[in-house]
Amino acid sequence: QKEVEQDPGPLSVPEGAIVSLNCTYSNSAFQYFMWYRQYSRKGPELLMYTYSSGNKEDGRFTAQVDKSSKYISLFIRDSQPSDSATYLCAMRAGGSQGNLIFGKGTKLSVKP
Amino acid sequence: DTGVSQDPRHKITKRGQNVTFRCDPISEHNRLYWYRQTLGQGPEFLTYFQNEAQLEKSRLLSDRFSAERPKGSFSTLEIQRTEQGDSAMYLCASGDSRTDTQYFGPGTRLTVL
Repeated sequence: QKEVEQDPGPLSVPEGAIVSLNCTYSNSAFQYFMWYRQYSRKGPELLMYTYSSGNKEDGRFTAQVDKSSKYISLFIRDSQPSDSATYLCAMRAGGSQGNLIFGKGTKLSVKP
Repeated sequence: DTGVSQDPRHKITKRGQNVTFRCDPISEHNRLYWYRQTLGQGPEFLTYFQNEAQLEKSRLLSDRFSAERPKGSFSTLEIQRTEQGDSAMYLCASGDSRTDTQYFGPGTRLTVL
């Protein structure tokens, strides 16, 4: 079992839909959780950063972390065609200065 | 644009050749990370620097790979005797120790023929 599991999709939704993206993980030491957006042939772009459990909102994006279930989510409201990209979840343990563990990424397509 | 630059953006080489990539991080960041990403996968950690010290290396980093960060500024990643399996996107991330966040550059896409 991989440390971080993420459904690769692809996920196709109509413009204006609410999108839900999810990851599960197995390492209970993970405390820092991130979502990155990656357009084709580009580097990942940091979208959301959350420490421990709870919700965080930034514009149309909401990140949720449920440490008891080892489950994190990213919600995108009023999705736009420009949101079409691959969304990567990433996480790392507390007290670590180092590497992020990434999911495989979910490819999202928002149709006009 | 995150402020992290990588050069070259694309590199095509023949098997057995050596290649070197450069990363220029955000100037006020003291942490620098290298990752490798293959098609359909998330980035995988290779190595990490704090200032000029290389503090962590993944077991993915075989002895054909070497990374340096002289003077704690830019970093280079060299691959010796390239193999077809080295074909991937090599990503550099600049780390802000105040917020524990990592900002990625555009990547160098390596193709080994």
